[in-house]
Amino acid sequence: NAGVTQTPKFQVLKTGQSMTLQCAQDMNHEYMSWYRQDPGMGLRLIHYSVGAGITDQGEVPNGYNVSRSTTEDFPLRLLSAAPSQTSVYFCASSLTGTGGPEQYFGPGTRLTVT
Amino acid sequence: TQLLEQSPQFLSIQEGENLTVYCNSSSVFSSLQWYRQEPGEGPVLLVTVVTGGEVKKLKRLTFQFGDARKDSSLHITAAQPGDTGLYLCAGVLNDMRFGAGTRLTVKP
Repeated sequence: NAGVTQTPKFQVLKTGQSMTLQCAQDMNHEYMSWYRQDPGMGLRLIHYSVGAGITDQGEVPNGYNVSRSTTEDFPLRLLSAAPSQTSVYFCASSLTGTGGPEQYFGPGTRLTVT
Repeated sequence: TQLLEQSPQFLSIQEGENLTVYCNSSSVFSSLQWYRQEPGEGPVLLVTVVTGGEVKKLKRLTFQFGDARKDSSLHITAAQPGDTGLYLCAGVLNDMRFGAGTRLTVKP
């Protein structure tokens, strides 16, 4: 049972480039979310989804797009990367909404934008 | 401004000592979770507290949710080097908000 997987583990982008961070879970969880983690800031919610076809914005959504075409996958797109998006990105999933059962986090993607 | 303030930000103690870390807010949460994160990994859930005044124990870790559901504490008894890590609290409103964490180092 793989849990939550994220790819790539590391990525370096130049300003203005686009890319997609992949997230997949094999636990049939309805709820998935993306966070970024910066020093001294904790984890901040970017976007979340309560099920296939449904997404919503979190605390810091600007510069990021998401879609949820299947229960398993929840990719995060950076359309035009900026140095301010340098961060560690975590994907998480859980059976119900936030605060309910356990949120499972992926191992993270460390992104550097130069 | 962080919705959840965690203190202390850093804590370094000797093996065998006891410690308490705090998570405070002016907001009322429907529930609050504590996570532990090790370097290079994602956070792992330790506990969820839901009821004001609730106390949960997990071996040497004791978690308390404030009566007004605005704050929480984590107490570790007889800390061990394996307890070293970043401890994060997260409160549930319409979505989940995390504190910045307490980085704990337990020296052998």
